Amino acid sequence: AQSVAQPEDQVNVAEGNPLTVKCTYSVSGNPYLFWYVQYPNRGLQFLLKYITGDNLVKGSYGFEAEFNKSQTSFHLKKPSALVSDSALYFCAVRVFKTGANNLFFGTGTRLTVIP
Amino acid sequence: ETGVTQSPTHLIKTRGQQVTLRCSSQSGHNTVSWYQQALGQGPQFIFQYYREEENGRGNFPPRFSGLQFPNYSSELNVNALELDDSALYLCASSLRDRVNEQFFGPGTRLTVL
Repeated sequence: AQSVAQPEDQVNVAEGNPLTVKCTYSVSGNPYLFWYVQYPNRGLQFLLKYITGDNLVKGSYGFEAEFNKSQTSFHLKKPSALVSDSALYFCAVRVFKTGANNLFFGTGTRLTVIP
Repeated sequence: ETGVTQSPTHLIKTRGQQVTLRCSSQSGHNTVSWYQQALGQGPQFIFQYYREEENGRGNFPPRFSGLQFPNYSSELNVNALELDDSALYLCASSLRDRVNEQFFGPGTRLTVL
């Protein structure tokens, strides 16, 4: 069965500093991994995905994520945090089964960027 | 914005009542998935519709049901509401063969009293 874990409920970082939001996964077979962001009273917005290829994936708003197969991790990173990056971040893995192909989400990490 | 719309934005019901939530998918998308996001949790998959038929289901009881219409819009129906049904309900649309590119709507916040 596929699953993801986000070990940190909350991450605080000063504006201008690099940020990392952690995600580990458990899958059988090749993982399809995703990051989404959720702002207050908004739906989920897609940031980036890893399907295959280069382990460093670049996404929206300057975010990137590094796929590490040996550590089964897919951490989200940004070189310089902005106050506007403060939001709820979800890691997800695609679930493959007969019929629907849906996403399994982690419990989320709340990122706060301090001015 | 993704082009996926949901209505209503907010809804308050009491235990035992029934509720219908609606979703209009992004233009051209033929697959709609519904997710429940309880407070402080990640979204959980309820079910998916493709060509007006349920195409897969998560761990939700039968009182959660849905419909998809010829124009690909969709409804989520919940009967016999329970307090634990209070959550943000999200729909996501995609093409059937491109589920890696799901676009989410803003959600409907359901409160059950």
